[in-house]
Amino acid sequence: QTVVTQEPSLTVSPGGTVTLTCASSTGPVTSDNYPNWFQQIPGQRPRALIYSTSSRQTGIPARFSGSLLGGKAALTLSAVQPEDEADYYCLLFYGGVRVFGGGTKLTVL
Amino acid sequence: QVHLVESGGGVVQPGRSLRLSCAASGFSFSYFMMHWVRQAPGKGLEWMAVISNDGRSIYYADSVKDRFTISRDNAKNTVYLQMNSLRTEDTALYYCARDNPDYWGPGTLVTVSS
Repeated sequence: QTVVTQEPSLTVSPGGTVTLTCASSTGPVTSDNYPNWFQQIPGQRPRALIYSTSSRQTGIPARFSGSLLGGKAALTLSAVQPEDEADYYCLLFYGGVRVFGGGTKLTVL
Repeated sequence: QVHLVESGGGVVQPGRSLRLSCAASGFSFSYFMMHWVRQAPGKGLEWMAVISNDGRSIYYADSVKDRFTISRDNAKNTVYLQMNSLRTEDTALYYCARDNPDYWGPGTLVTVSS
């Protein structure tokens, strides 16, 4: 069974930069896994941020960026704002089947 | 404007069945793949299933592939999730989502309890 692993929690200061990562139990994450990233504020539906590793969804500000970093998918938030405090999930593609990571709780403090 | 609305949730006893629906509007439904994703109370997102735009290609998570069936009716702009042999651990908010997925519905709550 494929497991996708994210940092359980991270803390960042307002105005700072933070990188969240997403690792696969099957090996390095590549562009063939089409990494997606989602933000979820408690009580709300998920909001799509990034698809296909680094493409921003419509309306997502440029301070959200996606990449591959050291065999993992990565989501970098720059100039972090208080409203960025949320849960963040990655989603990886495995030839048809998709698997979510366990999520990262981002605290802005 | 893309709009997805799930329905069909409710309280059901273990071992029973339930069918969820997701009505789509605001886009050409027959051009897009559709997903079902669930979230147990206080837990993370769990991808369930995807169906291609024409319904010919379907994939499931291992956790549900023998019990759940995804289908669609492009004439009705609706995707379905048939859930059989429900277990208490299937209690969750069930979302439908389009494509990447990019747009999500608000979800419908399924509670499996005796």
